[in-house]
Amino acid sequence: DAKTTQPPSMDCAEGRAANLPCNHSTISGNEYVYWYRQIHSQGPQYIIHGLKNNETNEMASLIITEDRKSSTLILPHATLRDTAVYYCIVRLGWGYQKVTFGTGTKLQVIP
Amino acid sequence: DVKVTQSSRYLVKRTGEKVFLECVQDMDHENMFWYRQDPGLGLRLIYFSYDVKMKEKGDIPEGYSVSREKKERFSLILESASTNQTSMYLCASSLRYGPQITQYFGPGTRLTVL
Repeated sequence: DAKTTQPPSMDCAEGRAANLPCNHSTISGNEYVYWYRQIHSQGPQYIIHGLKNNETNEMASLIITEDRKSSTLILPHATLRDTAVYYCIVRLGWGYQKVTFGTGTKLQVIP
Repeated sequence: DVKVTQSSRYLVKRTGEKVFLECVQDMDHENMFWYRQDPGLGLRLIYFSYDVKMKEKGDIPEGYSVSREKKERFSLILESASTNQTSMYLCASSLRYGPQITQYFGPGTRLTVL
């Protein structure tokens, strides 16, 4: 799996958009970008994934650059409950593939 | 919504005890996984199963065994618990086939071995 690089921490004001960047310069053509988050002492929660097109769901938007070497997860209106560690991972989508988390970005939403 | 449940959120056991952690998923997923998560070490795969009665070792299977008698249920067994098995244990499930396999995680079991 391609390696990812994320900033260790970020702050965001409540109600504002949180933009979390991820670099994955060694991504291969058939690898997907997945985002998970983990609220303290809970299991990881799947957020969104994409291959090359931008994606949006009820939780977030995922913007992938045209060269696919980086992406941004956008939480459009951050709330206090969005305070968590956010993990960007790159992996093949086919068949069995274990999930490997890096250190992630600790997002602190400030009132 | 996919739901993965684990039998306990917190568990305290003594060294040498046999420990059972159970995981149940309700989405008819073929694949099920057991991970442990430790500070600074990230998520490590212990075992996974791609079908009933099938199992494969992950990266750190020593000291653990698993059982999958029914599709929805995957159990992790610590044959003789030791203090270095104190950890957060996470179960996950996913479909087996398809172009975009997503793993869904349970809430985790925080196990303390004294």
